[in-house]
Amino acid sequence: GAVVSQHPSWVICKSGTSVKIECRSLDFQATTMFWYRQFPKQSLMLMATSNEGSKATYEQGVEKDKFLINHASLTLSTLTVTSAHPEDSSFYICSAPIAGGLETQYFGPGTRLLVL
Amino acid sequence: AQSVTQLDSQVPVFEEAPVELRCNYSSSVSVYLFWYVQYPNQGLQLLLKYLSGSTLVKGINGFEAEFNKSQTSFHLRKPSVHISDTAEYFCAVNAPSGGTYKYIFGTGTRLKVLA
Repeated sequence: GAVVSQHPSWVICKSGTSVKIECRSLDFQATTMFWYRQFPKQSLMLMATSNEGSKATYEQGVEKDKFLINHASLTLSTLTVTSAHPEDSSFYICSAPIAGGLETQYFGPGTRLLVL
Repeated sequence: AQSVTQLDSQVPVFEEAPVELRCNYSSSVSVYLFWYVQYPNQGLQLLLKYLSGSTLVKGINGFEAEFNKSQTSFHLRKPSVHISDTAEYFCAVNAPSGGTYKYIFGTGTRLKVLA
């Protein structure tokens, strides 16, 4: 099956710093990728849709200046949490559909962010 | 708008017993249905999916689910569970939105298999 990777898997940072999380499709190209956020013992909430070559589309309530998304290539999307605060601590997961198979997405292993 | 309801937040079951995890959805358009499993500190792994065709769908690890359009349900079942099945299970619908597809997840069901 398709493989999606994320880096880093864990990150601890100080409040006020920025953190970049990478999402890569390893064996397929993805013009679209999705970023989710998951709080402890809760479900996944879609944050934004990352589009290669154009601006990301953010879900209602998600601050686009806070969560910067860049889809630099057909295999890489990055999420940057700017000026992170403790309330941004969460599990961030990305996913990507295979072209021509938009109905099924493949998920990365997730990145756990802890802001102190 | 679509929504997904997983009524059971936790389901304890003894090893080798059968289990059913319930999922109901609401949608005004045709959707695709999925079950994912999440082990601690890991991403989501696809168990099975219903896109079209036979309403009984078989997935990995011995799981199966049945799509019931009239009851808008997609319950997940396994005839005999193992300790290793202990995990969080998410039901999801995927519907067209703005030229792509977007997932909406249920709140999850924590399956705890007891020895």
